[in-house]
Amino acid sequence: NAGVTQTPKFRILKIGQSMTLQCTQDMNHNYMYWYRQDPGMGLKLIYYSVGAGITDKGEVPNGYNVSRSTTEDFPLRLELAAPSQTSVYFCASRRLAGGPSSYNEQFFGPGTRLTVL
Amino acid sequence: ILNVEQSPQSLHVQEGDSTNFTCSFPSSNFYALHWYRWETAKSPEALFVMTLNGDEKKKGRISATLNTKEGYSYLYIKGSQPEDSATYLCAFAPSSNDYKLSFGAGTTVTVRA
Repeated sequence: NAGVTQTPKFRILKIGQSMTLQCTQDMNHNYMYWYRQDPGMGLKLIYYSVGAGITDKGEVPNGYNVSRSTTEDFPLRLELAAPSQTSVYFCASRRLAGGPSSYNEQFFGPGTRLTVL
Repeated sequence: ILNVEQSPQSLHVQEGDSTNFTCSFPSSNFYALHWYRWETAKSPEALFVMTLNGDEKKKGRISATLNTKEGYSYLYIKGSQPEDSATYLCAFAPSSNDYKLSFGAGTTVTVRA
């Protein structure tokens, strides 16, 4: 299994440009998440999905959109990039609840480092 | 937004010494407490998921305890080694939405050889 993969690894955008961060998991996990990580701030949840066709906002959804047309893919869209969106973005996934508590752990992708200038 | 706090923010440890640090979380509506290890230039990886008050988990030289009644968890590293250098994140899962985690800002451990 490749686990959770993200592309691209790095990207520089100009203010006002748009882009999509790709996330794919091959573990057949129902839950998927997008986080952003800012220095000293920990991970903040942007959007999450509990299954194909179902998405919901997290703590910091403004300026982002998501879709979940398949179990495997959960892309994150930035429509009008702003300097405040400079961050490291992590995608994560988790299996459906049930079984030992360790089954609740989230699996993270390698991250996308985005700079908006 | 659920308040999860970790202290200290960072610490330096001499190789061979033991250390511990704290995660504080809401004591009500508790479902689970996660610990993740995050090495530089890598992605976070789960260490423990703890659900029961009084739980103790161990993986090699790293162990964790959980007190859900007072809302804290300790992570211990025994005989620290340079490869233990990482940021350790804790995350709280409420029973109302156990699939959504609120993360602390992390404790960054640097082990000096």
